[in-house]
Amino acid sequence: DSGVTQTPKHLITATGQRVTLRCSPRSGDLSVYWYQQSLDQGLQFLIQYYNGEERAKGNILERFSAQQFPDLHSELNLSSLELGDSALYFCASSVSSSSTGELFFGEGSRLTVL
Amino acid sequence: TQLLEQSPQFLSIQEGENLTVYCNSSSVFSSLQWYRQEPGEGPVLLVTVVTGGEVKKLKRLTFQFGDARKDSSLHITAAQPGDTGLYLCAGATTTDSWGKLQFGAGTQVVVTP
Repeated sequence: DSGVTQTPKHLITATGQRVTLRCSPRSGDLSVYWYQQSLDQGLQFLIQYYNGEERAKGNILERFSAQQFPDLHSELNLSSLELGDSALYFCASSVSSSSTGELFFGEGSRLTVL
Repeated sequence: TQLLEQSPQFLSIQEGENLTVYCNSSSVFSSLQWYRQEPGEGPVLLVTVVTGGEVKKLKRLTFQFGDARKDSSLHITAAQPGDTGLYLCAGATTTDSWGKLQFGAGTQVVVTP
């Protein structure tokens, strides 16, 4: 158990819909990261938040957005869903945003878009 | 296109055999990590290497960071079924964006009894 909690574990929805994925980081971790893992693309960095502020952005689509709340939990919002958005979405947390520390990953949210 | 190229993509060996997984790039990384991911779970960190030429050992696993910090290898001695999993290398190109790790596509290792 990494201490990172992601909900829901599985989600099936239709094209055009909007979903929200939630992540609770490990206690004390200020940084939250979102990654997308698909069979053809591997693990792709989406976005990072540190103590409520966006710190780094990766290959995140404009249809996707995220935020980190004062209690440090984070949400990833995916809208106008397409078939290609089907993937595993991982949240990870760490103590800081710039160190040789460890990223702790949650178990992921598996999104299926039909 | 993956910034980090891992090879081989798939490796199936018998228990007791040795194996090596490679992670190569044309970019220089300030640090490189190896993770193992099992089905239904997130990646779990095995090791972080930061110095060119660094060698780290974790029981039967030996990790090496290339002198030029562009490549790394993971060697497993006397593999066991419990070593089965997806091995991922991940590099940070700047120390300022630690979490913006670039991941390789992974090497699926299967160790059969």
